[in-house]
Amino acid sequence: DAGITQSPRYKITETGRQVTLMCHQTWSHSYMFWYRQDLGHGLRLIYYSAAADITDKGEVPDGYVVSRSKTENFPLTLESATRSQTSVYFCASSESRQYQPQHFGDGTRLSIL
Amino acid sequence: GQQVMQIPQYQHVQEGEDFTTYCNSSTTLSNIQWYKQRPGGHPVFLIQLVKSGEVKKQKRLTFQFGEAKKNSSLHITATQTTDVGTYFCAGPKGSGGSNYKLTFGKGTLLTVNP
Repeated sequence: DAGITQSPRYKITETGRQVTLMCHQTWSHSYMFWYRQDLGHGLRLIYYSAAADITDKGEVPDGYVVSRSKTENFPLTLESATRSQTSVYFCASSESRQYQPQHFGDGTRLSIL
Repeated sequence: GQQVMQIPQYQHVQEGEDFTTYCNSSTTLSNIQWYKQRPGGHPVFLIQLVKSGEVKKQKRLTFQFGEAKKNSSLHITATQTTDVGTYFCAGPKGSGGSNYKLTFGKGTLLTVNP
C-alpha cells in the first residue's frame, strides 16, 4: 500500500545503540500500530496509538518507545538495542470506524549484532 | 487473555490440490479478519466476517465464520503457485471501542509444488 511507508527497509546496528524506525501514512487514519514478526511467534503488538498524543502499550512493549506528535507519523525507538530485538517490524494503520482492516507498511528488517 | 489459535502451522500441497486453514478463538469474536502475507512481503487484508455462520467467497477462496463466532476457516480450491504465502486470521482484542486492536493467529504457511 503506497499510503503507508516505513523507513529504513533494512538496518544493521550494534547492541546498545539507539535506533528509530519511521512510519508515515497519508490516509489520516486515526489508529496506528507497531508489530514485530518473528518465526514461531507470528505478529506481536508492541505499541499502538488511537490518535495524535495518545499511545499505549501492546503485548511486548519492553525496550521500545513511541511517540505520535502528528497523526501521520508514528516512530518506534529502540533506546538501547539488544540482540533479542532482531526482527522484522511492521507498522500498520486503520480507520477509526468499527471493524476496519489494518493496512501494513512494507516492513523494516532490523538486525542487531 | 484472548488467544487465537491457527492450524496447521505449515501445509505443503501439489498444485491443483485443495487447502484449508482453521482458526479458533478462546472467546467469542465480534468479527474475524483474514490476511495473506507473501514471502518477503507484508500482511494484506483479504476479508472480514461479521455474522454468525457467514460464508464469503473470493474466486477460489471460501471463508467461513462459525455459528458460535469462535472459529473460522479459509479454504482454497485448486491451489495455484500464486497462493503461496502465510495466511493469518485475526480477531479484535476487546469489545466496543477497543476492538480496533487485533490478536493475530500465528499463521499457516502454504507452499505449492508446481
